[in-house]
Amino acid sequence: AQKITQTQPGMFVQEKEAVTLDCTYDTSDPSYGLFWYKQPSSGEMIFLIYQGSYDQQNATEGRYSLNFQKARKSANLVISASQLGDSAMYFCAMREGGGYNKLIFGAGTRLAVHP
Amino acid sequence: DTAVSQTPKYLVTQMGNDKSIKCEQNLGHDTMYWYKQDSKKFLKIMFSYNNKELIINETVPNRFSPKSPDKAHLNLHINSLELGDSAVYFCASSPYGRGGTDTQYFGPGTRLTVL
Repeated sequence: AQKITQTQPGMFVQEKEAVTLDCTYDTSDPSYGLFWYKQPSSGEMIFLIYQGSYDQQNATEGRYSLNFQKARKSANLVISASQLGDSAMYFCAMREGGGYNKLIFGAGTRLAVHP
Repeated sequence: DTAVSQTPKYLVTQMGNDKSIKCEQNLGHDTMYWYKQDSKKFLKIMFSYNNKELIINETVPNRFSPKSPDKAHLNLHINSLELGDSAVYFCASSPYGRGGTDTQYFGPGTRLTVL
């Protein structure tokens, strides 16, 4: 069974609008962490935001926020006021348990921001 | 100023050759990782070292051998290259290697093409 599922292979959004990228996860471990990374066409992986399983509040970093719904096992990334530079692949990843950090990645969502 | 650097950025070689990819981080992190991103953009962890000690060793052919001369460097040597080894290889580092907010920061990637 897939541990991280990103069901949207591709998404489109108009510049300045908000967009939500979906991520669901599967784990029986009560302690885990969820991460989002951005991969622009230049290829590098850029860390965006982190949510811990015990965090009471949704994480926010500038225009990025994470809509964490623990009961639904979802950790959707919300990008507000989209910019052309937000066009990229976005990966959701999970770290399970208290052991060494091994990130398990989803398949990614390609976001295109249109002017 | 580069936090995690990899050399070379591109590597084109013939089947059967042996090649190495080097990674260095100047963040003072204790843990380093190698990930492989295949042609479908799927990212999977291969190895991780914490203070020069191998801590994660996924199911990877033994033609792949990581080496960590010190905690700032993690190299990847690949013997007898095969067509299926063509991929982008990412190095990453994180402060501790375990624990809640431990975040992995990625290098720019090395695109390996095996002909």
